[in-house]
Amino acid sequence: DAEITQSPRHKITETGRQVTLACHQTWNHNNMFWYRQDLGHGLRLIHYSYGVQDTNKGEVSDGYSVSRSNTEDLPLTLESAASSQTSVYFCASSESDDGTGELFFGEGSRLTVL
Amino acid sequence: GQSLEQPSEVTAVEGAIVQINCTYQTSGFYGLSWYQQHDGGAPTFLSYNALDGLEETGRFSSFLSRSDSYGYLLLQELQMKDSASYFCASNYGQNFVFGPGTRLSVLP
Repeated sequence: DAEITQSPRHKITETGRQVTLACHQTWNHNNMFWYRQDLGHGLRLIHYSYGVQDTNKGEVSDGYSVSRSNTEDLPLTLESAASSQTSVYFCASSESDDGTGELFFGEGSRLTVL
Repeated sequence: GQSLEQPSEVTAVEGAIVQINCTYQTSGFYGLSWYQQHDGGAPTFLSYNALDGLEETGRFSSFLSRSDSYGYLLLQELQMKDSASYFCASNYGQNFVFGPGTRLSVLP
């Protein structure tokens, strides 16, 4: 079955370190997204991609970067982790223009920055 | 800008019907989706409305009124397992903006 997986599921790091969260989907979806979820804020869009070599900034992109070298993967990098980036991160994918409004989410990566 | 509003909490008893409202302010609005998220889990898709009216999927129904920038999720025959957070999300083009979520507690 097609799926979307994230790794690591849990990570603790220190302020100033670089961290990369991996996201891999086997749906063959063109669209991929990274959200962060914090209490009281719902899901906020960090970066998104509509295809290979395409990346775009979302609502809360400062301090984050992504790259899209193939269809399956959209890694999220925190260049210099800050305590404000402690959060749960969700990767998601969708078909482009399929008209269903459906996002497929990974299981999430819980990041703690000390 | 893109913003959605939902009540923060709703409580109901098992077997009852509950309605979770969502209002949105969007330009280039395409449609409204609903997602369910249990504690510690990932959001999962429930329904989508691109056109005005009611969409029914089993015990869950979703409604959209574009003229009122308003939609709701209706949950019937509530079960304990329905206790979760529910998010509305508007899509504009191929992007999605989420509301802050409504926490539903189902009491026995």
